[in-house]
Amino acid sequence: NAGVTQTPKFQVLKTGQSMTLQCAQDMNHNSMYWYRQDPGMGLRLIYYSASEGTTDKGEVPNGYNVSRLNKREFSLRLESAAPSQTSVYFCASSQRDRSNYGYTFGSGTRLTVV
Amino acid sequence: AQTVTQSQPEMSVQEAETVTLSCTYDTSESNYYLFWYKQPPSRQMILVIRQEAYKQQNATENRFSVNFQKAAKSFSLKISDSQLGDTAMYFCAFTAGSYQLTFGKGTKLSVIP
Repeated sequence: NAGVTQTPKFQVLKTGQSMTLQCAQDMNHNSMYWYRQDPGMGLRLIYYSASEGTTDKGEVPNGYNVSRLNKREFSLRLESAAPSQTSVYFCASSQRDRSNYGYTFGSGTRLTVV
Repeated sequence: AQTVTQSQPEMSVQEAETVTLSCTYDTSESNYYLFWYKQPPSRQMILVIRQEAYKQQNATENRFSVNFQKAAKSFSLKISDSQLGDTAMYFCAFTAGSYQLTFGKGTKLSVIP
């Protein structure tokens, strides 16, 4: 099915380890996003990429880096994981000029940092 | 900056009854878009309904409808004939056409058989 695919679905890291969350969409969307979801906090934007070749910080970018590898793929990297980064991470995409129609979300990655 | 407030952290409703989830927002923009997303236990984020601020008519999608009060900056979701499958977290969200979708903190809805 067309949509947004995230890998992995679950991950446990030790403090200080690094990892990359992968995201790919096959809807030919221009814009892609990374959000984190924490209990009682809703979803908060980490980084976004308005189009291939551009990335910008969102509300909570500290401790993360991103790469827009091509139009389809947008990865999120934790260089040195901290327990505060324990969260559920969502990737999403939208048409650049149709973000007003909402986003399409991946199924999320539950990350635990111990 | 835009903010979205959902004042009801948790709600419950009897199966087949009607429930209304509240959402208020703050913005200085005149043209914007509002959404309700559903997140069932599967964790998937599902778009339920969308409202364009310049449209007076309230959006409706089957059993889901909104009460959009632009002057009051209020955007509530009404679920009619509640079903067990409606049990989920519900998020209100806002965008003024930028790339950022701003979410409220969510309302956990439980449908009781």
